[in-house]
Amino acid sequence: EAAVTQSPRNKVAVTGGKVTLSCNQTNNHNNMYWYRQDTGHGLRLIHYSYGAGSTEKGDIPDGYKASRPSQENFSLILELATPSQTSVYFCASGDAAYSYEQYFGPGTRLTVL
Amino acid sequence: QQKVQQSPESLIVPEGGMASLNCTFSDRNSQYFWWYRQHSGEGPKALMSIFSNGDKKEGRFTAHLNKASLYVSLHIKDSQPSDSALYFCAPNQGGRALIFGTGTTVSVSP
Repeated sequence: EAAVTQSPRNKVAVTGGKVTLSCNQTNNHNNMYWYRQDTGHGLRLIHYSYGAGSTEKGDIPDGYKASRPSQENFSLILELATPSQTSVYFCASGDAAYSYEQYFGPGTRLTVL
Repeated sequence: QQKVQQSPESLIVPEGGMASLNCTFSDRNSQYFWWYRQHSGEGPKALMSIFSNGDKKEGRFTAHLNKASLYVSLHIKDSQPSDSALYFCAPNQGGRALIFGTGTTVSVSP
């Protein structure tokens, strides 16, 4: 089965600090995605990537950067974390060439104090 | 930006009963429609997809798609406690990604 892992699983950060969330996939999928999940908002797309070296803005990119150094790894970076970024973050990989199915990681719970 | 709306927000179903989840979308160009299920504390997992008008059955789950009406639904027959979860409808947005609705929480009562 497709495997997506995320680290850390839980993170507490201070306002104004830098946070990096990491994602690794062993599916050899070209596309990777970062979502955040908040009650009442479902899953909202932050950034995505079509392959190594590419990043694209999703629907809510403000305050976030992304990095895709390799096929397997995709990071989400909060340069100056704010309390409004407290959320659960999910990474996913997928191959949009066929059915758009996405495989999700277990999530990272981020709390910004 | 595609809008995906799901109803109801939550429902309680007796064990062995039928759960019906509704979803409307706004982009007539969407071709693939996924249903995802998320158990508490886990990431969402793909349940099933549908891309042709009509019904598609997989075990106890039946998806229905009506592209002209911008509507897709999911029916869970013979609901089990393990079906208690958050369910998302997710049509594709061009070649980019899936757009997820806000979800329906299903609780199966023993």
